[in-house]
Amino acid sequence: DSGVTQTPKHLITATGQRVTLRCSPRSGDLSVYWYQQSLDQGLQFLIQYYNGEERAKGNILERFSAQQFPDLHSELNLSSLELGDSALYFCASRPGQGNEQYFGPGTRLTVT
Amino acid sequence: EDQVTQSPEALRLQEGESSSLNCSYTVSGLRGLFWYRQDPGKGPEFLFTLYSAGEEKEKERLKATLTKKESFLHITAPKPEDSATYLCAVQARNQGGKLIFGQGTELSVKP
Repeated sequence: DSGVTQTPKHLITATGQRVTLRCSPRSGDLSVYWYQQSLDQGLQFLIQYYNGEERAKGNILERFSAQQFPDLHSELNLSSLELGDSALYFCASRPGQGNEQYFGPGTRLTVT
Repeated sequence: EDQVTQSPEALRLQEGESSSLNCSYTVSGLRGLFWYRQDPGKGPEFLFTLYSAGEEKEKERLKATLTKKESFLHITAPKPEDSATYLCAVQARNQGGKLIFGQGTELSVKP
């Protein structure tokens, strides 16, 4: 158990809908990273937050957005969903000392 | 462009048969190289961080090494429970800490 929690575990929704994925980092970790894992693309970085502020963006679609709240939990919002958005979405947190990231169990999103 | 390539894509071993996984990388200023283990449907599990050429880290049957262009994950006398996908990732300086992952090596160890 990495100490990072994500909800829900599974999400099935239809094209055009909007969903919210939630992540709680390890206790004391201020940095949260979101990644998408699909069969053809592998693990791809989406976005990073540090103590409530956006720090870095990867290949995140304009339909996707995220935020980090004062209690440090983070949410990833996906809207106007397409079939190709079906994937595993992971969040990871990083301790203040060290560069390694600890991943949560992921949310499996299926868009039908 | 920062890039990570892992080989082989898949590796089948007999229990006790030692082998190595390769991770080749190009990055504009390496901050760190990371190895993760991922079981099907689960999140990646952190194994090692390597920072400079010549560095080695060990954990049970696993040993990771780093050169200026590649890293190896050596598996000594593997057991069936070592079966998983092993992911290599690099972190570049001045890029906020994001990890750039390779496609992984799927390891299967048969009893």
